[in-house]
Amino acid sequence: EAQVTQNPRYLITVTGKKLTVTCSQNMNHEYMSWYRQDPGLGLRQIYYSMNVEVTDKGDVPEGYKVSRKEKRNFPLILESPSPNQTSLYFCASSLLNPGLAGLTYEQYFGPGTRLTVT
Amino acid sequence: AQRVTQPEKLLSVFKGAPVELKCNYSYSGSPELFWYVQYSRQRLQLLLRHISRESIKGFTADLNKGETSFHLKKPFAQEEDSAMYYCALSGRASGTYKYIFGTGTRLKVLA
Repeated sequence: EAQVTQNPRYLITVTGKKLTVTCSQNMNHEYMSWYRQDPGLGLRQIYYSMNVEVTDKGDVPEGYKVSRKEKRNFPLILESPSPNQTSLYFCASSLLNPGLAGLTYEQYFGPGTRLTVT
Repeated sequence: AQRVTQPEKLLSVFKGAPVELKCNYSYSGSPELFWYVQYSRQRLQLLLRHISRESIKGFTADLNKGETSFHLKKPFAQEEDSAMYYCALSGRASGTYKYIFGTGTRLKVLA
């Protein structure tokens, strides 16, 4: 079954304790992305990756790191989490559109990770 | 600046009434536009994209480049349409390849 998986689904941690949220897709998608979803703010892109070893900042990258060593995996790393990073996080992947008009085809989303930082 | 604006946070309609969810965008180029839906406690899923010109679950959306809008419409709302709806754009600009979402509109269809 084609899917995007994230782990863990729920995480409660304390300020400053490093954590990693994993994301994996089995659709051979080039493009992968992380978003955070906050009430009233919608989804905001944190980081994205066009392919292996190619990553770039989204609109809210501060306090986050990513890596793309393999095509299927795109972990999100919080080196020193703070309470303002409490949020619902979604990973997504898509094929790249080689055409000029757009960038990607539809994004496939993971189930989300609810993170609470106390 | 690239931006997607959904002016309504909440839209309540009665079952059988027409629905229009507004989306305006700002982009220097020709982006690809999408509508995503998120039902309660579920992940986001694609509803439709402008380039395919499909009608999904009775919803349609027309890209108006002059008004930079991509409003979502359905002639007769159903209770199962109650969900969160996000407009999004994808495009290349200034060497970046961001995917930008609006803040979302919660649609409530009342019996």
